[in-house]
Amino acid sequence: DVKVTQSSRYLVKRTGEKVFLECVQDMDHENMFWYRQDPGLGLRLIYFSYDVKMKEKGDIPEGYSVSREKKERFSLILESASTNQTSMYLCASSLPGLHYNSPLHFGNGTRLTVT
Amino acid sequence: GDSVTQMEGPVTLSEEAFLTINCTYTATGYPSLFWYVQYPGEGLQLLLKATKADDKGSNKGFEATYRKETTSFHLEKGSVQVSDSAVYFCALLSGGYQKVTFGIGTKLQVIP
Repeated sequence: DVKVTQSSRYLVKRTGEKVFLECVQDMDHENMFWYRQDPGLGLRLIYFSYDVKMKEKGDIPEGYSVSREKKERFSLILESASTNQTSMYLCASSLPGLHYNSPLHFGNGTRLTVT
Repeated sequence: GDSVTQMEGPVTLSEEAFLTINCTYTATGYPSLFWYVQYPGEGLQLLLKATKADDKGSNKGFEATYRKETTSFHLEKGSVQVSDSAVYFCALLSGGYQKVTFGIGTKLQVIP
């Protein structure tokens, strides 16, 4: 079974802090994604990566950056956390040819609260 | 741009009732369509998919048919169980991009 592991289930940070959310997958997937999930808005794509050191902006990249130094690990970085970044963050991975070869495989999410 | 429309709910049903969750979409070209399910405390997982018009996706008693003429992909199940309580997301993938567009999710509560 594909396993996507997010390092923290719950996280509480203060406004202005630099925050790192970590995601590791164990299936050698090329593609990795970061979404945020908010009530009434569903899932929105923040960034994705289709290879090591490659990254693409999603629909809402402002205030975020990412790092992919190793194939299995994709980090989401909040450079200076703000209260409007309080949300559930979901990491996902897939093989290339999304949905033709494999679906998205999601982690269990990190609920981030910024106070 | 691409978009997916579904009601947020919650939808509350008694066990063994018939379920329909409506989903309509707007997309360029010929998208692939999906239903994902999120059980409490977990991430999303693929429930079913359809890649071309008139295809029917099915899994675990759930079905959805890709209707191009009405741009819809409604999810149905003939008899729901308490264990089906979850949030259901309709989604689409269009063009060559590795990006999936999700609806807002519909929360289903099934009571005994």
